[in-house]
Amino acid sequence: EVQVLESGGGLVQPGGSLRLSCVTSGFTFSSYAMSWVRQAPGKGLEWVSALSGTGDNTYYADSVKGRFTISRDNSKNTVYLQMNSLRAEDTAVYYCAKTLGVVATHPADWGQGTLVTVSS
Amino acid sequence: QAVVTQEPSLTVSPGGTVTLTCASSAGTVTSGHYPYWFQQKPGQAPRTLISDISNKHSWTPARFSGSLLGGKAALTLSGAQPEDEADYYCLLSYTRGRPVFGGGTKLTVL
Repeated sequence: EVQVLESGGGLVQPGGSLRLSCVTSGFTFSSYAMSWVRQAPGKGLEWVSALSGTGDNTYYADSVKGRFTISRDNSKNTVYLQMNSLRAEDTAVYYCAKTLGVVATHPADWGQGTLVTVSS
Repeated sequence: QAVVTQEPSLTVSPGGTVTLTCASSAGTVTSGHYPYWFQQKPGQAPRTLISDISNKHSWTPARFSGSLLGGKAALTLSGAQPEDEADYYCLLSYTRGRPVFGGGTKLTVL
């Protein structure tokens, strides 16, 4: 059974940084791209970033490009989202998801999410 | 960046059939957009119902089906159940690997 578990969310001041982690199990981690999707309170889903299984290909939404960095440690079955220069509009639940391919961006198996609040 | 448009809300009677659509501001939705559909119930994480137009996941009830219809991606629910009341989102792929979600459809079963 595929399992995806995010952690690392919390309260951070504007301009601050936070690193989200996503630990997975139940599949061959390096064979699948991973993605991050967020959802601001009361709003719809927003695709944020994706990373290929090898880690060679990264993709970012325009809203986070240059501020967020996605990475993975295939030895730990874990994907990360480093978030810098955080803004109030980054406040959201962040979901990690396994995709269906080694180079893919669409989420397939979702975690339960971790809440990031950017506020002073 | 393209805008993906869904019906803001729809209502279906129990046992009835409803079709949700997903349109692209860039033109006709094709297989190259790899349309996905997601269901999200209040307080829960989304779950993927349909991938690549019409592929169901192991947990996808048989009453849900995906297709391309009239230049859009479509999700059809045949035989609606009360537990199908939820928000539904589509996702389309564009160039440079940055997919875009639709704004979501709030489906009421009433």
